[in-house]
Amino acid sequence: AQTVTQSQPEMSVQEAETVTLSCTYDTSENNYYLFWYKQPPSRQMILVIRQEAYKQQNATENRFSVNFQKAAKSFSLKISDSQLGDTAMYFCAFMKEDYKLSFGAGTTVTVRA
Amino acid sequence: DADVTQTPRNRITKTGKRIMLECSQTKGHDRMYWYRQDPGLGLRLIYYSFDVKDINKGEISDGYSVSRQAQAKFSLSLESAIPNQTALYFCATSDLTGTGAYEQYFGPGTRLTVT
Repeated sequence: AQTVTQSQPEMSVQEAETVTLSCTYDTSENNYYLFWYKQPPSRQMILVIRQEAYKQQNATENRFSVNFQKAAKSFSLKISDSQLGDTAMYFCAFMKEDYKLSFGAGTTVTVRA
Repeated sequence: DADVTQTPRNRITKTGKRIMLECSQTKGHDRMYWYRQDPGLGLRLIYYSFDVKDINKGEISDGYSVSRQAQAKFSLSLESAIPNQTALYFCATSDLTGTGAYEQYFGPGTRLTVT
């Protein structure tokens, strides 16, 4: 299985501030996909953002953006203008062309009012 | 209505009992997956199926079996439940081709407790 490492078990951020979650992965593949999933207290898994490894441009979805460093095998998530509804666990995930996801252990993000 | 549904949402069972978790989807996707989530471990793949006649073991299939009854239905069974199978179980689906093949849609999860 691919190894996905999230080194920050928990993070706290003030409302309207910015927080960055780190993720590193280990692979010998050249073509793959990276994802960030959000799991709020409702426990539903929600896809936040996706990055194709062959694309150099970093993906952006509204307040969520990634910093994809292919050579360093790093895939961080930046949440800008944090909102209370962003409070959740965030999972980094990796997929080769076999369509199977490998997840990191998750980072719990708490947004303070 | 939800595109991917799981039943039951919560279940408490005793060691040694057989239990089945069910997943249904209305997305028309061919691929279906079962994951379990444990604290500190993220989600791990148990089984997956790319069409009705295709069943594959994932990372942690021991103690589990699956059945793909139709394109829309994929069930996970624990033949003889044990306490370390206490976890949150997720079903997911994805499309067969195109960019949708790389995006998985998750059900709401089943919280299983084995006492």
